[in-house]
Amino acid sequence: DAMVIQNPRYQVTQFGKPVTLSCSQTLNHNVMYWYQQKSSQAPKLLFHYYDKDFNNEADTPDNFQSRRPNTSFCFLDIRSPGLGDAAMYLCATSRGGTASSYNEQFFGPGTRLTVL
Amino acid sequence: GQSLEQPSEVTAVEGAIVQINCTYQTSGFYGLSWYQQHDGGAPTFLSYNALDGLEETGRFSSFLSRSDSYGYLLLQELQMKDSASYFCAVRDGYSSASKIIFGSGTRLSIRP
Repeated sequence: DAMVIQNPRYQVTQFGKPVTLSCSQTLNHNVMYWYQQKSSQAPKLLFHYYDKDFNNEADTPDNFQSRRPNTSFCFLDIRSPGLGDAAMYLCATSRGGTASSYNEQFFGPGTRLTVL
Repeated sequence: GQSLEQPSEVTAVEGAIVQINCTYQTSGFYGLSWYQQHDGGAPTFLSYNALDGLEETGRFSSFLSRSDSYGYLLLQELQMKDSASYFCAVRDGYSSASKIIFGSGTRLSIRP
């Protein structure tokens, strides 16, 4: 089945120790997104790629970086995690092209990050 | 600024009908979407409205009025499994740099 896969599902890191979260998709979608979601809050868009075009949200901290080496994979790098970065990180894709396909996002199961 | 407003919580009875409203204020508008998220799960796409009117998908319907910057999600024949958070979301442009804005979410609780 076509899907969005995130690894790992749970990640524990130490304060200040770099961590990388990964996302892969078998949907062949143009657009890939990274969201941060804290408990009882809405998903907050960090950045997204339309193909290789990178779009960073203005309020995304510099501590967060992303890479998309090919259509299928996208990585979220947190260079120096702080306690406030503990959250669920969601990867999503959408097809791009028409407005309806652009607006339908497919989410992965998320990676829950704990910072000790 | 850009914002979407939704009620934080709604409670309803199993078998009943519930409406979750969403008003938006964005610099541009290219469609209103709705997502469902169960506790511990990922958001799941429910519906999308680009034009005014009602879109129906099974027990769920979504409505949009662009002149009022308003939409709602209507859930009929409520089931216990519908207990979840529901988010409205707006795309504010059509370029590759357009922003997706989520509402703060409405937590729907279903009582037997």
